[in-house]
Amino acid sequence: DIVMTQSPDSLAVSLGERATINCKSSQSVLYSSNNKNYFAWYQQKPGQPPKVLIYWASTRESGVPDRFSGSGSGTDFTLTISSLQAEDVAVYYCQQYYSTPLTFGGGTKVEIK
Amino acid sequence: QVELVESGGGVVQPGRSLRLSCAASGFTFSNNPMHWVRQAPGKGLEWVAFISSDGSDKNYADSVKGRFTISRDNSENTLDLQMNSLRTEDTAVYYCARALLRGAHYFDYWGQGTLVTVSS
Repeated sequence: DIVMTQSPDSLAVSLGERATINCKSSQSVLYSSNNKNYFAWYQQKPGQPPKVLIYWASTRESGVPDRFSGSGSGTDFTLTISSLQAEDVAVYYCQQYYSTPLTFGGGTKVEIK
Repeated sequence: QVELVESGGGVVQPGRSLRLSCAASGFTFSNNPMHWVRQAPGKGLEWVAFISSDGSDKNYADSVKGRFTISRDNSENTLDLQMNSLRTEDTAVYYCARALLRGAHYFDYWGQGTLVTVSS
């Protein structure tokens, strides 16, 4: 199984400041035949289901604000919120879809400082 | 618009069975792989099961293999999860989730979830 390790577990950021979340997979999720990283980021607010933000490691889902960006390849990935807004308070999860079992990171809770 | 609505959750004793359903609308259900994902209270996300668009391929997490069965009815636009021999550790909110397409199993739509509580 591919283990997804997120860091930090939580972070508090001032409004308008940058938030950075990291995710490391225990093996590469880059598929060499198409050069795609089988990796996604989700946002989950309290009482709601998760919402996909980023897929293929760096492709923003339609409707997601451009302050959210994804980067990385292979085993190391980053979600960046360039200017934190109040509505971004949530738990963020990474996921690999390179192989089954599909696996998620443990989550990172983002709060306002 | 795409909508996924789960039902069938509730309180059940350990060892008993429960069947969850997910009603899909707003898209051509038979085109998309579907998944069940669960979330224990206050915990993270755990993938449970997958079924291909035509139902011919299924896959399960080790934690539920042999106890849970995923199925779909493309004529009725429904996804089911038959859960047998339930354990206390199966207590969670169960979400049905749509995968965009074969080979790209990230989840672009989720239902609101249905809570399953396994307790004596």
